[in-house]
Amino acid sequence: GEDVEQSLFLSVREGDSSVINCTYTDSSSTYLYWYKQEPGAGLQLLTYIFSNMDMKQDQRLTVLLNKKDKHLSLRIADTQTGDSAIYFCADFSGGYQKVTFGTGTKLQVIP
Amino acid sequence: DVKVTQSSRYLVKRTGEKVFLECVQDMDHENMFWYRQDPGLGLRLIYFSYDVKMKEKGDIPEGYSVSREKKERFSLILESASTNQTSMYLCASSFRRGQGYTFGSGTRLTVV
Repeated sequence: GEDVEQSLFLSVREGDSSVINCTYTDSSSTYLYWYKQEPGAGLQLLTYIFSNMDMKQDQRLTVLLNKKDKHLSLRIADTQTGDSAIYFCADFSGGYQKVTFGTGTKLQVIP
Repeated sequence: DVKVTQSSRYLVKRTGEKVFLECVQDMDHENMFWYRQDPGLGLRLIYFSYDVKMKEKGDIPEGYSVSREKKERFSLILESASTNQTSMYLCASSFRRGQGYTFGSGTRLTVV
């Protein structure tokens, strides 16, 4: 079946850029998403990208998609302590008609 | 803003009890989902529903059932709670398949 993988942990200094990476296996993915989960809360949709796009920018967030390598990344510019959270990558499979989530990357921002 | 409300933030239940987790959304979404979240395992889909009265098994349905009698409400039922069902349970909804989900705040269930 389909699989979405992320590294478990990333630590950056406040003010630096963060890059969170994700790989997926489903070649029929049509949408790819990034969600943010703050401690004790549910997931919040941050941004998404259609599979026919290479890049999407939204203020401090840049999403890059390499469809050939099935690699998705989320770049957060000027990372702040409020960005500390778990970030989940997810994809929607046009073939299976379902969303698969990665295991999440915990971002720690050091002041 | 779409709101997904889960009735309890924290629950403690005894082994063997029947447990109901309630989820209500207020934006007329067709699709509703139940996930459990465990450290290192990410989110795993338990059950989902694309319409009222309709339900489908997700990846880990064993030990769970669901009910969707009204469009806005999707209930998760643990028929006989066991300690391995201790987890964070997340409800989500979406308007269309493929559209991003709106999640509730989660219910942290502890089974003792």
